[in-house]
Amino acid sequence: LAKTTQPISMDSYEGQEVNITCSHNNIATNDYITWYQQFPSQGPRFIIQGYKTKVTNEVASLFIPADRKSSTLSLPRVSLSDTAVYYCLVGDIIGNTPLVFGKGTRLSVIA
Amino acid sequence: NAGVMQNPRHLVRRRGQEARLRCSPMKGHSHVYWYRQLPEEGLKFMVYLQKENIIDESGMPKERFSAEFPKEGPSILRIQQVVRGDSAAYFCASSPPGQVGAKNIQYFGAGTRLSVL
Repeated sequence: LAKTTQPISMDSYEGQEVNITCSHNNIATNDYITWYQQFPSQGPRFIIQGYKTKVTNEVASLFIPADRKSSTLSLPRVSLSDTAVYYCLVGDIIGNTPLVFGKGTRLSVIA
Repeated sequence: NAGVMQNPRHLVRRRGQEARLRCSPMKGHSHVYWYRQLPEEGLKFMVYLQKENIIDESGMPKERFSAEFPKEGPSILRIQQVVRGDSAAYFCASSPPGQVGAKNIQYFGAGTRLSVL
């Protein structure tokens, strides 16, 4: 399984765009990149998933360069409610397999 | 469509007692996973079950821990003779069979916080 490296924590003011970068130098050809969000006292929640280039949904955007050795989760105009831990996961998505979580990035949004 | 339901949300046990954690997956989901989370840590996989079968228990401690997902009823994670080190948040996740597009997205419950005194 590809190992991921993320910043331990980040701070941002409300209304700013937040970019969280994840390094995964050993990503395999079949691996996808998936991000989960975890609020305090709750279970993780799927945010976005991608293989290459750019993926966008109503919550976030995911940027993946051509070499796929890193990825960036972009949260537009964050609010206080975006304060959470964000996990970057890399792995084969064929079938149903256990997820491997790192320590994630703790994002604190300040008013 | 109700999400993954876990109960109890909080469970307090004294050392040596048994803890039973329950998980009802989302409707239509036949795959259940259990994860454990220590404070300031990411989730660690414990066990993966399908109805009446344990598929992968590579993350499960060899002693005192067991899990089941019967044909009828919720999945149960059972911890016998609990010790202080078992104090953690235990999360259950579920996924549907044969995910379209093979996304392997899991849906998590709110967790059970076990405190061992």
